[in-house]
Amino acid sequence: QVQLRQWGAGLLQSSETLSLTCAVYGDSVYNFCWSWIRQPPGKGLEWIGEVNHSGDTNYNPSLKSRVTVSVDRSKNQFSLKLSSVTAADTAVYYCARRVTIYYYMDVWGGGTTVTVSS
Amino acid sequence: QSALTQPPSASGSPGQSVTISCTGTSSDVGGYNYVSWYQQHPGKAPKLMIYEVTKRPSGVPDRFSGSKSDNTASLTVSGLQAEDEADYYCSSYAGSNSLIFGGGTKLTVL
Repeated sequence: QVQLRQWGAGLLQSSETLSLTCAVYGDSVYNFCWSWIRQPPGKGLEWIGEVNHSGDTNYNPSLKSRVTVSVDRSKNQFSLKLSSVTAADTAVYYCARRVTIYYYMDVWGGGTTVTVSS
Repeated sequence: QSALTQPPSASGSPGQSVTISCTGTSSDVGGYNYVSWYQQHPGKAPKLMIYEVTKRPSGVPDRFSGSKSDNTASLTVSGLQAEDEADYYCSSYAGSNSLIFGGGTKLTVL
């Protein structure tokens, strides 16, 4: 059974860089694409971006200038960095597995709450 | 990229059927058969319910079905049960290797 376990700093100050990591258990990062999605309090889901095993990335155009998604094949992990955060970046951040070629996420991490304090 | 449009709320009594719509454009919902639906209970991660417009993952009850017409996709929940009460989100491929979500619909079982 595939599991995604995620972690990272939960409280940031404005202008700092958000950093989250997601470890993949029961599968290999070589087999799929790996995504990040966020959900502000009381609001809907927003796709942030993704990476494949080769390190190829795709990003939400609205966040592209601040986002970096990377993969560590040796650790079977992938990571998210979001720079220059503001209160608008306060959200629950989810990592997820996206089936390559097909555009849906079939396995999700439990979510990490990130709060940005001004 | 603008979020796909979903009604904020929907409701039905146990045993009834409810349909939730998801409206986009020809650049996303209407242009690809890559619409998926997710169920989210409070405080939980989303769960995949429908993918590629009509397909159900293993373990999802056949009470859940999906369809699409032009730029609007729909999720139908038949034989409503109390545990179906949740938020539902649609998602679509939006071209240029990007994904877009709907604003979400809160389904209430009366």
